Order: sequence, then structure tokens, then C-alpha cells
Amino acid sequence: QSALTQPASVSGSPGQSITISCTGTSSDISAYNYVSWYQQHPGKAPKLMIYEVSNRPSGVSNRFSGSKSGNTASLAISGLQAEDEADYYCSSFTSSSTVVFGGGTKLTVL
Amino acid sequence: EVQLVESGGGLVQPGGSLRLSCAASGLIFSSSWMYWVRQAPGKGLVWVSRISPDGSTTTYADSVKGRFTISRDNTKNTLYLQMNSLRAEDSAVYYCTRSQRGGLDWGQGTMVTVSS
Repeated sequence: QSALTQPASVSGSPGQSITISCTGTSSDISAYNYVSWYQQHPGKAPKLMIYEVSNRPSGVSNRFSGSKSGNTASLAISGLQAEDEADYYCSSFTSSSTVVFGGGTKLTVL
Repeated sequence: EVQLVESGGGLVQPGGSLRLSCAASGLIFSSSWMYWVRQAPGKGLVWVSRISPDGSTTTYADSVKGRFTISRDNTKNTLYLQMNSLRAEDSAVYYCTRSQRGGLDWGQGTMVTVSS
């Protein structure tokens, strides 16, 4: 199972909006609505930000939103803040009953 | 609040074995799908294995199939990962995770280093 494809890096200025894409195949992202997004700060464990494509867990800012179209899922962050600077990973359930992650995207807040 | 606390990591020689444990609290453990995910230093997240709530169904990544065994003890709210025939490329932080509607809750991780 190959990793989902994410851009290596994205950047934006405080207050701006950014989008991170996550491209898979017909065996994962487009086949299931079990797409999740995780935020990871250096030296810390990942934190769930989005589950089931577009749902936010309690406590996650509504500045974070998720969507999916075909084989590609997206994470949008609006009103960028310095604390949003982190690595972001997407994941999806697959037709092999496994889970696949994206390679990760480093978000830099300029 | 869900708490997942891993233990059992450490330094092991190539070809050696190690058993990781994960103590769970704040959740109905016996109803939860549980996963192990690992992250090599400076690298991305990689799914390793999963186990059904009753332990009857297990799935593994190809890279660990035949070498790692996931198990659980619902009476102790504890998840395990038995790792045999360890290789240098197995060196990573290993995270215990709980799956709920496709999203994962994470422990703090335990480091495994395979080196002579």
C-alpha cells in the first residue's frame, strides 16, 4: 500500500488561509469516508483534527475544515495563527482493511 | 478523557525481540478497535497493525507481517505488540492508538531502537 500524496510544505502569513491536499486512489480515499487529519508539533504525539472527512472533534477550532472530492481530500485552515505551525498528516482506511497515511506536510506560518 | 500509556520500548540488537504494552483508560476498551502506528526519527507516520475489540481479527502492514503480533487483554485494558526478528528499519517511536469513526486518539509513544 503506497502512502497518500501530500505536498512536502506549505506556508502562509498570519490571518491568511491555506489548503493541504491529500491524494489517494480508488482503494482508499474515494472508497471510504474514513479520511482523517492529524497535527503534530515537534517532539509531540499527533493530534486528531478531522475525522470522517469533515468532522471536528470537540475542542478543535472551527478554523480547521476538511473535504473530499474523488481521490483527493483536503484540509483547510483559515485565519492562520503562529500555533498552527506544525506537520500535518492525512490518513484513510483502505480496501485491504489497513490504514494508510500521507507523507506529511510541513506548515510554516511566515 | 482517553489516556493511552505505552511502555516497553528500549534498545535491542538486530534479530532480537521486544514486547510493547499500552495501558488504556477513559474509554470502553473492550469495544474499541486498537492500532499501533510508528514513526522513524524525522520521518512520517506509518500504520503497523490493528486488532478488533474482541481480539478475533488482526491485520498487519506487509513490512511487519510474520514478525509482529498484536494482542489485547480486555480484563486489563491493555494492548500489546510482540516484535520478533527486529531490524534496524524497525527503529521508531511506536504509538498506541484508539480508532473511533476512523479518527485516532494517540498515546505519547515509546521509542524502540534496533542497533548493535
